[in-house]
Order: sequence, then structure tokens, then C-alpha cells
Amino acid sequence: KAGVTQTPRYLIKTRGQQVTLSCSPISGHRSVSWYQQTPGQGLQFLFEYFSETQRNKGNFPGRFSGRQFSNSRSEMNVSTLELGDSALYLCASSLAGTGVRTGELFFGEGSRLTVL
Amino acid sequence: AQSVTQPDIHITVSEGASLELRCNYSYGATPYLFWYVQSPGQGLQLLLKYFSGDTLVQGIKGFEAEFKRSQSSFNLRKPSVHWSDAAEYFCAVGGDNSGYALNFGKGTSLLVTP
Repeated sequence: KAGVTQTPRYLIKTRGQQVTLSCSPISGHRSVSWYQQTPGQGLQFLFEYFSETQRNKGNFPGRFSGRQFSNSRSEMNVSTLELGDSALYLCASSLAGTGVRTGELFFGEGSRLTVL
Repeated sequence: AQSVTQPDIHITVSEGASLELRCNYSYGATPYLFWYVQSPGQGLQLLLKYFSGDTLVQGIKGFEAEFKRSQSSFNLRKPSVHWSDAAEYFCAVGGDNSGYALNFGKGTSLLVTP
């Protein structure tokens, strides 16, 4: 069974550009969550989707957005990139949609974004 | 406000020695506690979790953790460390009302020496 797949794995952008990252959850999983990992701030929750609906959102500016499609695949977008957006963006999927008590989070290997 | 503190940024242990990684949390409601491991270039893998009940929980790869409510701690232990345990370890807290929004500690980097 394939794990969580994130594409692209690595990308380089310049300030002011925008970027779209993709996440394909484990087959059958309907919940997708996104996290940002940086050396300074550590792992921070971005947002969570279930059945194409955003159910939870972290404390990030509006430049960060996401969506989920009917096949549970998810994308996140960052507009007007800043140097501080350089990070590893991790996607995680879960079978259940009711929270961590009922469904384990399975993480992908991440998309490493470098903003120059 | 919920938060997780991992006091040790780096820990070095000899192969075969015991290991304890510290984690302290702050959470207003009943906490759900987790330990994850991340190897270089990899995503996070769940080692173990605590929701309620028995305060000593067993996980994968021979790890265990003890929940101590009075100390707001959830320390990770392993009796004998293997070289393959070298990685970054993260403690995290969540709850009933936070969905999949976990609050992670900054991590502890484990180095294992021969």
C-alpha cells in the first residue's frame, strides 16, 4: 500500500512568486493535514481538510491556502513568497475524520521549498 | 494555551546505553500525547501515543513513555539504544477539540556513538 505522496519533493522559488504543493493521501484516507517545519519555529500546523472541507486552520497569514479534491488529494498554495516561507512542508493523512484519538496521522516525506 | 517543551536540543548516548528524552506539556483539557521520530529526509513516524488509562505506554522499536499528570510530563525511554535510533524525536500534544492540529515540541536530536 503506497504511503502519502508529496510532489514536488524539492523546489526553488524567488520572493514574490507563488507555489503549489500537492499531496496524495494513502488510499482510502479522507483526512489531510498540512504542517510547516522550519529550524526556528519547528513543526507548525497549517490546515486540515476532510471531505473537501477545511475543518481547522493554524495561525498563518492568508497567503497560505489549501484545498481538497473529491478524490481526497490536497493542494496547498503560498502566494507572494517571502524568504521566511522556506521550509519543509509536510502532509499527513488519516483514515478517520474525527481527530487524532480515532485516526493515526501518516506523514509524507515532505516538499522542501527554498525561497531566494 | 497549549505548548510542548523538549528541554534537550541534542542528546548523545552510547550504543547499548539507556535513553530518556524529556517532554513537558501545557494543555487546558485532557491531553492526547504523542512521540514521533524523523530520520533525515523522511517524514514523521509515530512511535507511541497516550490518550488515557495506563500511564506507561509501549510503542514500536522498543520505546516506551510514561505519562505523569502531576509533572505535566511524557518522557520517552528505551532500555538499550541501537545505532539506527539516531534521529530527531518530537513530542506532540493534541485534544478532542483540535482535530488533527497537533502542537509539537522543537525536537531532540539523538546521536548514537559506537
